[in-house]
Amino acid sequence: VQLVESGGGLVQPGGSLRLSCTASGDSFSAYSMNWVRQAPGKGLEWLSFISSRSNVVYYADSVKGRFTVSRDHGKSSLFLQMDHLRAEDTAVYYCARAGGDYVTAFDMWGQGTVVTVSS
Amino acid sequence: EIVMTQSPATLSVSPGERATLSCRASQSVSINLAWYQHKPGQSPRLLIYGASTRATGIPVRFSGSGSGTDFTLTISSLQSEDFAVYYCQQYNDWLTFGGGTKVEI
Repeated sequence: VQLVESGGGLVQPGGSLRLSCTASGDSFSAYSMNWVRQAPGKGLEWLSFISSRSNVVYYADSVKGRFTVSRDHGKSSLFLQMDHLRAEDTAVYYCARAGGDYVTAFDMWGQGTVVTVSS
Repeated sequence: EIVMTQSPATLSVSPGERATLSCRASQSVSINLAWYQHKPGQSPRLLIYGASTRATGIPVRFSGSGSGTDFTLTISSLQSEDFAVYYCQQYNDWLTFGGGTKVEI
């Protein structure tokens, strides 16, 4: 049972990137999911939440209007579409599973994928 | 947005000593408070949820207490593997993390 992120890389300011998080085992369909990031030398920052049926989504103010979260149950995958990227979006991005289908603590985390926004 | 403030920013302790970490919320979060351990190069790990319930597999030397706006994580006898950064997180009104406390030797 694990979460594996992919899709990170180097992108220019103003560019776009799509992150993926693929779940194995019985670790995805019944749970809400989240994205969290950690910028270099900084702490953890929660970014977005999506419920199991995708009927509830929520974003931190820092990414609202630029990032879009989605999920595909058939692929057991979570996505984060990141547009209009800025230098301050440079960070390690983690997907994290909530402990239920609601807003709660995160009981499982991926290993992280690195996003670098630079020209 | 609920602001979570952790103190101290850095805690210097020796193995075998007791460590006490604090977390304060800008408004009441009831007991909707979690603690995570984060080591360099690793993913964060859930230690405590519901302010005082240990997550699966977490050693008994980790304990959490508090409610409302003031919370504490106590590590009763520090082991070498406990040196890390610890974050509190409220999930009463969406989600916010504290700035972290680094526990170092």
